[in-house]
Amino acid sequence: DAKTTQPTSMDCAEGRAANLPCNHSTISGNEYVYWYRQIHSQGPQYIIHGLKNNETNEMASLIITEDRKSSTLILPHATLRDTAVYYCIVRPGGGYKLSFGAGTTVTVRA
Amino acid sequence: EAQVTQNPRYLITVTGKKLTVTCSQNMNHEYMSWYRQDPGLGLRQIYYSMNVEVTDKGDVPEGYKVSRKEKRNFPLILESPSPNQTSLYFCAAGGSNEQFFGPGTRLTVL
Repeated sequence: DAKTTQPTSMDCAEGRAANLPCNHSTISGNEYVYWYRQIHSQGPQYIIHGLKNNETNEMASLIITEDRKSSTLILPHATLRDTAVYYCIVRPGGGYKLSFGAGTTVTVRA
Repeated sequence: EAQVTQNPRYLITVTGKKLTVTCSQNMNHEYMSWYRQDPGLGLRQIYYSMNVEVTDKGDVPEGYKVSRKEKRNFPLILESPSPNQTSLYFCAAGGSNEQFFGPGTRLTVL
């Protein structure tokens, strides 16, 4: 699976949009980008995934660059409960294994 | 509601005393897996199962066993626990798009 690079940490103001970048420059054509988050020692939670088109659901939006070498997860109106570690994972379509890296620790401040 | 349950949630035991951590899902997913999470090492897959009676090793299987006799249950067995198995354990179930994680089992082996 392609390797991903994320910033170690970032802060965000409550009510503002949080933009979480992820670099996956070695992604191959059949690999999807997945985002999960883990709120303080709870089980990881699925957020969103995409192949090449931008995706949006009730939790977030995923913007994938045209060359697919990077993506951005957008939390449109961050709340204190969005404070968590966010993981960007690249995996082949139809695959199951999730390889978690270090992720980005996002702290939402009031 | 999609749910993965784990028991016990907390366990303190002694070296060599066999233990089982149970995992159960209510979503009829074929794929289930176990992860351990350690500071600085992140989440690592221990074992996974693609279906009943089909299990395979993940990245860190040493010292663990699993079984999959029924679709809903995927217990993790430590035949002779050692202190280096002190960790936070997560069970997961799901498909290739979204996986659901249990609340975690914090195990301490003295």
